[in-house]
Amino acid sequence: QMQLVQSGAEVKKPGASVKVSCKASGYTFTDHYIHWVRQAPGQGLEWMGWLHPITGTTNYAQKFQGRVTMTRDTSVSTAYMEVSSLRSDDTAVFYCARDNDFRVWGQGTLVTVSS
Amino acid sequence: QSVLTQPPSASGTPGQRVTISCSGSSSNIGSNIVNWYHQVPGTAPKLLVNTNNQRPSGVPDRFSGSRSGTSASLAISGLQSDDEADYYCAAWDDSLSGVVFGGGTKLTVL
Repeated sequence: QMQLVQSGAEVKKPGASVKVSCKASGYTFTDHYIHWVRQAPGQGLEWMGWLHPITGTTNYAQKFQGRVTMTRDTSVSTAYMEVSSLRSDDTAVFYCARDNDFRVWGQGTLVTVSS
Repeated sequence: QSVLTQPPSASGTPGQRVTISCSGSSSNIGSNIVNWYHQVPGTAPKLLVNTNNQRPSGVPDRFSGSRSGTSASLAISGLQSDDEADYYCAAWDDSLSGVVFGGGTKLTVL
């Protein structure tokens, strides 16, 4: 079945970077956009941007421009999302999701930023 | 502050019909499809229905979506205890060139 499997939880110090992976299976990875969504503890969903898996073209939400980089490796059907200069308020669960209607979701990756 | 506005909470009794509203503007709800998601705390969200009333396979027709102008609604009929969750609306925003979400509505089944 179609699924997105994300990398495991991370603990980072303020100022560090984190790279989360999202591996696709059960469908052709290059046929569908990948989006990333953030959810801080007890808060709502926040769209971060999308990645076109064929061209590598990205579109970031203004809030995350300059601090977020989305990439992919088509040889392993995996998308990546890196956040740099982490702050304590970046502590959140990060989700990848497929297609513009977020039809398929990864299980989420908790990133904790703490000194 | 979310771009789309949802009531923070809603409630109903088993078997009842409840609706959740989502208010936006001409650049999002007024011109684009609105999708609704259901999230049980601690799990990933799940696509429920859109404003064209299209549902992924496996989602029962108890869930329906509609739009009027710059507002959208999710209706849940025949409320069940396992419908208790957080519900989010989302739409593409032409002005922001991105997806915007509502703040979420916590549905309680009494």
